[in-house]
Amino acid sequence: GQQLNQSPQSMFIQEGEDVSMNCTSSSIFNTWLWYKQDPGEGPVLLIALYKAGELTSNGRLTAQFGITRKDSFLNISASIPSDVGIYFCAGQHNAGGTSYGKLTFGQGTILTVHP
Amino acid sequence: EAQVTQNPRYLITVTGKKLTVTCSQNMNHEYMSWYRQDPGLGLRQIYYSMNVEVTDKGDVPEGYKVSRKEKRNFPLILESPSPNQTSLYFCASKDSGLGLAGETQYFGPGTRLLVL
Repeated sequence: GQQLNQSPQSMFIQEGEDVSMNCTSSSIFNTWLWYKQDPGEGPVLLIALYKAGELTSNGRLTAQFGITRKDSFLNISASIPSDVGIYFCAGQHNAGGTSYGKLTFGQGTILTVHP
Repeated sequence: EAQVTQNPRYLITVTGKKLTVTCSQNMNHEYMSWYRQDPGLGLRQIYYSMNVEVTDKGDVPEGYKVSRKEKRNFPLILESPSPNQTSLYFCASKDSGLGLAGETQYFGPGTRLLVL
């Protein structure tokens, strides 16, 4: 099946630092999604991106949909201890297509924030 | 309270013994999906359902079955479990609308399965 390569696999940072992670794909997606998973919980959607080149913010989080539609990045500014968790990118095809509903996730980035 | 529930939360079983993990949502969502999460591999989609009686394969459907006889329930069936199906399983549901509402999947609490 399709694969998303997410990097880095893990990050150890100090509180207040900025964080950047990215995802690349061998194929095109029409929608990119970024999720966060807290320990013992299911993932929660952070940001959804729909257009190539689109830059979207949600508080201290900023994500961009790559021009080629094969990549995306997520930035977290001024990290705080509650940012700890696993961050996942995910790609989805458009509504109406035969693959709509099929969601492909990256391997995840484990973020640790030291106070 | 809007939620997705899964049962059981933890299960230890033996190879070949059929099992079912139930998933139920109370949000009247049309879309439901099953994922497995393994270290270093992220979440991988097993099966999804766009509506009642409509199911499709995800990336890793082998060894699993699903059914969608009614809107709120989407059980995952392992007819003959094997040790490589030891994993953390998540059920999710979402609205079928456009925009952010249509993208926001609500995940259940997870089912941790160990197959000996």
